[in-house]
Amino acid sequence: KNEVEQSPQNLTAQEGEFITINCSYSVGISALHWLQQHPGGGIVSLFMLSSGKKKHGRLIATINIQEKHSSLHITASHPRDSAVYICAVISNTGNQFYFGTGTSLTVIP
Amino acid sequence: KAGVTQTPRYLIKTRGQQVTLSCSPISGHRSVSWYQQTPGQGLQFLFEYFSETQRNKGNFPGRFSGRQFSNSRSEMNVSTLELGDSALYLCASSLRGGNTGNTIYFGEGSWLTVV
Repeated sequence: KNEVEQSPQNLTAQEGEFITINCSYSVGISALHWLQQHPGGGIVSLFMLSSGKKKHGRLIATINIQEKHSSLHITASHPRDSAVYICAVISNTGNQFYFGTGTSLTVIP
Repeated sequence: KAGVTQTPRYLIKTRGQQVTLSCSPISGHRSVSWYQQTPGQGLQFLFEYFSETQRNKGNFPGRFSGRQFSNSRSEMNVSTLELGDSALYLCASSLRGGNTGNTIYFGEGSWLTVV
């Protein structure tokens, strides 16, 4: 049983397209993180959300606590956005981290 | 300021051996957490340390252990290595923990291959 489900698993987009990655979770959470992982392993935390919406440059993340759903949007996508995007939640019981399987994004010039 | 530093970056061990991985957090960060990443299982949470105490633990066997020192540096140890322990081991640090609104910062990871 996966506590965190992401969709799509793979995504190919043309440069400039608007991209949405979805994350649904089944546990009560204290926080949700969106992570970006480039080839070679390095992971960067893009957002930490506990409610509402956050924006950083071309990236927007939203969360709906009642529906247990979060989305990561990339506006005006660029080839350098090509990476794996991982949704991670921290449960509010036991502070366990649960991870989605990731969305592999390729942006073609 | 320096980021999260993990050593060694790459290592090869033989089944049955044990391995120790090190993580130096960002200066001032007191929370250090460890993760295992494999192609089959993805990212999985191992444990978190805060102020030298294990605060949370994932579902891994007792062969996986860790500790944190007074300077917040952390080590994790895997004993009696199995082929399935081959993975990227990632460490992350934050001021007080990823559930407290703090940003978490990841190291580059340690690639462990068990042969």
